[in-house]
Amino acid sequence: QTVVTQEPSFSVSPGGTVTLTCGLSSGSVSTTYYPSWYQQTPGQAPRTLIYTTNTRSSGVPDRFSGSILGNKAALTITGAQADDESDYYCALYMGSGLWVFGGGTKLTVL
Amino acid sequence: QVKLVESGGGVVQPGGSLRLSCAASGFTFSSYGIHWVRQAPGKGLEWVAFIRYDGSNKYYADSVKGRFTISRDNSRSTLYLQVNSLKPEDTAVYYCGKGVASSAVEYWGQGTQVTVSS
Repeated sequence: QTVVTQEPSFSVSPGGTVTLTCGLSSGSVSTTYYPSWYQQTPGQAPRTLIYTTNTRSSGVPDRFSGSILGNKAALTITGAQADDESDYYCALYMGSGLWVFGGGTKLTVL
Repeated sequence: QVKLVESGGGVVQPGGSLRLSCAASGFTFSSYGIHWVRQAPGKGLEWVAFIRYDGSNKYYADSVKGRFTISRDNSRSTLYLQVNSLKPEDTAVYYCGKGVASSAVEYWGQGTQVTVSS
């Protein structure tokens, strides 16, 4: 069974840039997996940031961008702000109507 | 604006059943696929099920296949999830989400809590 992998945790300084990644336990992520990214703060519903690799959801600032880097999907946050401190999840389309979420990355801004 | 409101959660004994609902507004419900996604306490997001815009195809995670049934009533702009044979590990907040393109979720509801406990 293929597992979607994310860094468990990451930290970034205010104003800095951070890239979170989303990979596969076996194989490479490409655009055909339609990677998407979600932000969630404790006690809140998730918020969609990016879908179809690099399309920003409505209202998402352009500090957030998505891409494919090497064999992984990537979410880059530029000019990190204190309220970017959240859990970030990616999701990949595995075909046959099935989606899988990664385990999430806890981002600390300090 | 897009709004999704889940309901129907509660406390149920192992082996029990519930029907979750997701009332949608602010978009043409009959044109979009809809997902159910859950989150167990302290855990990450888990995709549960997806139904195409017209209900013609339904897809399930292996963990719920055979126990959960997704359906929709486009005339009422409402999505459902019938959850049967519940197990303690089904305890989670259940979110519905509007699909987008061929990707995952674009908009999310606030969730409904399901607790399976004796």
